[in-house]
Amino acid sequence: GIQVEQSPPDLILQEGANSTLRCNFSDSVNNLQWFHQNPWGQLINLFYIPSGTKQNGRLSATTVATERYSLLYISSSQTTDSGVYFCAVVAGGFKTIFGAGTRLFVKA
Amino acid sequence: DSGVTQTPKHLITATGQRVTLRCSPRSGDLSVYWYQQSLDQGLQFLIQYYNGEERAKGNILERFSAQQFPDLHSELNLSSLELGDSALYFCASSVVSGSEQFFGPGTRLTVL
Repeated sequence: GIQVEQSPPDLILQEGANSTLRCNFSDSVNNLQWFHQNPWGQLINLFYIPSGTKQNGRLSATTVATERYSLLYISSSQTTDSGVYFCAVVAGGFKTIFGAGTRLFVKA
Repeated sequence: DSGVTQTPKHLITATGQRVTLRCSPRSGDLSVYWYQQSLDQGLQFLIQYYNGEERAKGNILERFSAQQFPDLHSELNLSSLELGDSALYFCASSVVSGSEQFFGPGTRLTVL
């Protein structure tokens, strides 16, 4: 089945710093989403981005489907950005596969 | 608030017991998905329903079963519970299969 790898696994930032999170997938996908799981366990939608580039405030994402990767950019990080960032893909057959996540801690 | 509701929020039970988790999708969504999140396995897709019919099956144990009812709410039944079934169980919904998924707050299951 399709493999989803996220990097880095852990990231510590000083407040105000920028970061790039990466998601690689091993096969063609129909759907790719980025989620933020906050410290209370909620999964919050960030982007639905099977291809192309989107921006939402300090966050943006780019998916290059032909090269099988997606990037999540966080600019001017804040302590509230802390948590785990997940990439999830849906390939043929409608199974959803999550990556292992990037655990982000932003220091004040 | 995603619009997806799950009950109960917390559930504590004993090994060997059976529990039922309930999910109501967002208004207008026809697809419902179930996931299990445990510390050692990450977020695992269990099963998906579309308009009452099973659409995709993931790593769902035979002791687990699910159903989507005519009013589109879904239930996940977990039986013969084991300590290792302790986890956070999420439900998600989307308009159609493969479209953007929205997650509920989860049910935290503790098996003692």
